[in-house]
Amino acid sequence: GAGVSQSPSNKVTEKGKDVELRCDPISGHTALYWYRQSLGQGLEFLIYFQGNSAPDKSGLPSDRFSAERTGGSVSTLTIQRTQQEDSAVYLCASSSRQALSGANVLTFGAGSRLTVL
Amino acid sequence: DAKTTQPNSMESNEEEPVHLPCNHSTISGTDYIHWYRQLPSQGPEYVIHGLTSNVNNRMASLAIAEDRKSSTLILHRATLRDAAVYYCILDQTGANNLFFGTGTRLTVIP
Repeated sequence: GAGVSQSPSNKVTEKGKDVELRCDPISGHTALYWYRQSLGQGLEFLIYFQGNSAPDKSGLPSDRFSAERTGGSVSTLTIQRTQQEDSAVYLCASSSRQALSGANVLTFGAGSRLTVL
Repeated sequence: DAKTTQPNSMESNEEEPVHLPCNHSTISGTDYIHWYRQLPSQGPEYVIHGLTSNVNNRMASLAIAEDRKSSTLILHRATLRDAAVYYCILDQTGANNLFFGTGTRLTVIP
């Protein structure tokens, strides 16, 4: 596609339920990132995928959070047993960065707004 | 995470130039300086990046200090559509992510 697509754009769920957020990156981009942004705050890094390498999960806040990237393209972020503090906008970005050198320009999706009641 | 320091907020009159400052005193020799902006209810969008020399593109100009410890994003004529949060970020060699701080909220006054 022309840009990074995220779905759903809005999700309201009850505390304790599981949610899945989807990201469809730009075709050909090997790197994929998940960030989250709480109201009025900056972006918090969650996880990074690069090609077939093991993902960098260092930003995941708890073991209730997980993510996978199938076939090097679409990614799904799963939050189990959601809590009210999980309420935020979850942003996905992709880039064509091939190696950890050179400038790394990210293209972001519009985000998925999660509200946990 | 490499830290940058930006003012929390700035104001500009429409049609006037805007200079958004950023300090990054801990920058390493191979770190790129990136600027992104986030319009209301949208994801961040790339604006410009540079390494040592000043850079110009259709959106903005980036002026980088000679010692690279600071930089300035220049919007030559602010419009109402430029009202956004502007993030100055160091793209560190070997890092897996870009660290976004809280940025500068730019208000454009008609």
